[in-house]
Amino acid sequence: RKEVEQDPGPFNVPEGATVAFNCTYSNSASQSFFWYRQDCRKEPKLLMSVYSSGNEDGRFTAQLNRASQYISLLIRDSKLSDSATYLCVVNPSPGNTPLVFGKGTRLSVIA
Amino acid sequence: GAVVSQHPSWVICKSGTSVKIECRSLDFQATTMFWYRQFPKQSLMLMATSNEGSKATYEQGVEKDKFLINHASLTLSTLTVTSAHPEDSSFYICSARLANTIYFGEGSWLTVV
Repeated sequence: RKEVEQDPGPFNVPEGATVAFNCTYSNSASQSFFWYRQDCRKEPKLLMSVYSSGNEDGRFTAQLNRASQYISLLIRDSKLSDSATYLCVVNPSPGNTPLVFGKGTRLSVIA
Repeated sequence: GAVVSQHPSWVICKSGTSVKIECRSLDFQATTMFWYRQFPKQSLMLMATSNEGSKATYEQGVEKDKFLINHASLTLSTLTVTSAHPEDSSFYICSARLANTIYFGEGSWLTVV
């Protein structure tokens, strides 16, 4: 089983749509969780951290379910500029350890 | 502004030559940096952990003699792809931690012809 699994998509949605991405991770001891955004041929950039209590940043909402080892990202009112690949990322242990990346889910928002 | 800087952004080299990629932490010290590689439509795969003043730790399947890592200072790690071949063509990217956030360099596109 892969450490971090995501639906690769692509998700093609119209502007204004709501879209949800899901992710599962295999290491139950994982410490922290993130969503990164990667534009074509660019480096990943942190979109938001994910907490068990859920967190929201504008149109973006992230949820973590530790019992199910499941992470989600909800994007409301999609914009053309949201088109990118969204990476589910897990920090497997405390300290300065490398992140583990999912393959990413590609989103295309269409006018 | 950038927190981690990587250079060069793009490089084309002939098969059999070596290429050096630099990763710098800007205005902070990074005792540890991470090097990843990403092939098209694939996830970022950790290649090695670069440790200042000591040997790098390589992931399984990554040849340490081919991918030389040097972390001689607290703000600079270098990755040298030795005797590059076309199959080494990829996106190489480094990262470092500042406070509780991982920052990435801009990445380096390597094309071996």
